[in-house]
Amino acid sequence: GQSLEQPSEVTAVEGAIVQINCTYQTSGFYGLSWYQQHDGGAPTFLSYNALDGLEETGRFSSFLSRSDSYGYLLLQELQMKDSASYFCAVRAAAGNKLTFGGGTRVLVKP
Amino acid sequence: DGGITQSPKYLFRKEGQNVTLSCEQNLNHDAMYWYRQDPGQGLRLIYYSQIVNDFQKGDIAEGYSVSREKKESFPLTVTSAQKNPTAFYLCASRRDEANYGYTFGSGTRLTVV
Repeated sequence: GQSLEQPSEVTAVEGAIVQINCTYQTSGFYGLSWYQQHDGGAPTFLSYNALDGLEETGRFSSFLSRSDSYGYLLLQELQMKDSASYFCAVRAAAGNKLTFGGGTRVLVKP
Repeated sequence: DGGITQSPKYLFRKEGQNVTLSCEQNLNHDAMYWYRQDPGQGLRLIYYSQIVNDFQKGDIAEGYSVSREKKESFPLTVTSAQKNPTAFYLCASRRDEANYGYTFGSGTRLTVV
């Protein structure tokens, strides 16, 4: 099976940088995704890393190290609207489906 | 606009009843998924379908059933065999094979009364 670990909660102030780590254990690996979910809302896709390295999309970046079974999501220049839960999800070799982590709640303070 | 429509937004079920949650997409996506989310928790996969007339069990399929008779539709039935059905149910389709992004519907919040 698959398991993912990420911190349950992170608090930071506006303008700061937050890094959300995700470690995973899978039987086979295709890639790591990140999703954002505001309270009561639907998750929205942020990024996908299939290869080692850093992918940058605006204020958000995602990193993957396949050898370490580790990735992170970097949120820069934090804004109040970034307060949300962030989920990492792994696409394993067994079936075309995603397994999600428990989520990290990010609270941005003024 | 293309997207995924889930209905109803809120659903109340009496114990012992079956209920069906609707999921319709007009994105022309082949793969569709049902996830369950409990308060403060991650998403757990119930069922998924990669093509019409075919579906597979996810990690927590017991007490649920699905059908995929049309590409656009992937309804989920929560049966009376599901002992703890109160949860937020999310339907998704796979958006892009290159980045494997999912598009989610806005969810159905099911409460047992």
